[in-house]
Amino acid sequence: EVQLVESGGGLVQPGGSLRLSCAASGSTFSSYWMSWVRQAPGKGLEWVADIKQDGSEKYYVDSVKGRFTISRDNAKNALYLQMNSLRSEDTAVYYCVREAPATATGYGDYFDYWGQGTLVTVSS
Amino acid sequence: SYELTQPPSVSVSPGQTARITCSGDALPKKYAYWYQQKSGRAPVLVIYEDTKRPSGILERFSGSSSGTMATLTISGAQVEDEADYYCYSTDRVFGGGTKLTVL
Repeated sequence: EVQLVESGGGLVQPGGSLRLSCAASGSTFSSYWMSWVRQAPGKGLEWVADIKQDGSEKYYVDSVKGRFTISRDNAKNALYLQMNSLRSEDTAVYYCVREAPATATGYGDYFDYWGQGTLVTVSS
Repeated sequence: SYELTQPPSVSVSPGQTARITCSGDALPKKYAYWYQQKSGRAPVLVIYEDTKRPSGILERFSGSSSGTMATLTISGAQVEDEADYYCYSTDRVFGGGTKLTVL
């Protein structure tokens, strides 16, 4: 069974930094794109960033570009999100999510397994 | 930018059929996916590639897609199906979510 366990959330002041980690098990971690998806309190789901299997491609939502960095360590089956210059609007539960390819070619990926999430609160 | 539109809320009585819609211009060319999120929990995939159910998802959950609209149907909805439901299609964009109330 695929398991994704996030850690590293907490309370941080505006302008501060935090590093989230995700420990993966139950599948060949290095075979999948991985994402971070967040959910602000009472709001919907927002994709934040994703990373290719070998780390050679990374993509970000515009609101975090230049502030957040996604990375992975396939030897440790781990995914990371370094968050700098944090703002109050970054307050959210952050989920580590595996991406799976659609069956048909050209139909893109989708999010199949989700971690339990870790809460990041940015407040003074 | 690409958008998926869902109704904010749907309400049914126990045993009735609940239908949650998702509309988007890319749906004729891309699959629809549906996630269930119960209060305080992580989202769970309940329908993938328009109509398929992952292992462990109850048969009362079904999906369909036609043109620019996808539909999640819960046949004989139960109180335990109360949750937020999100659709997804492509380009890393989720629908806004639909709160399903069963009472």
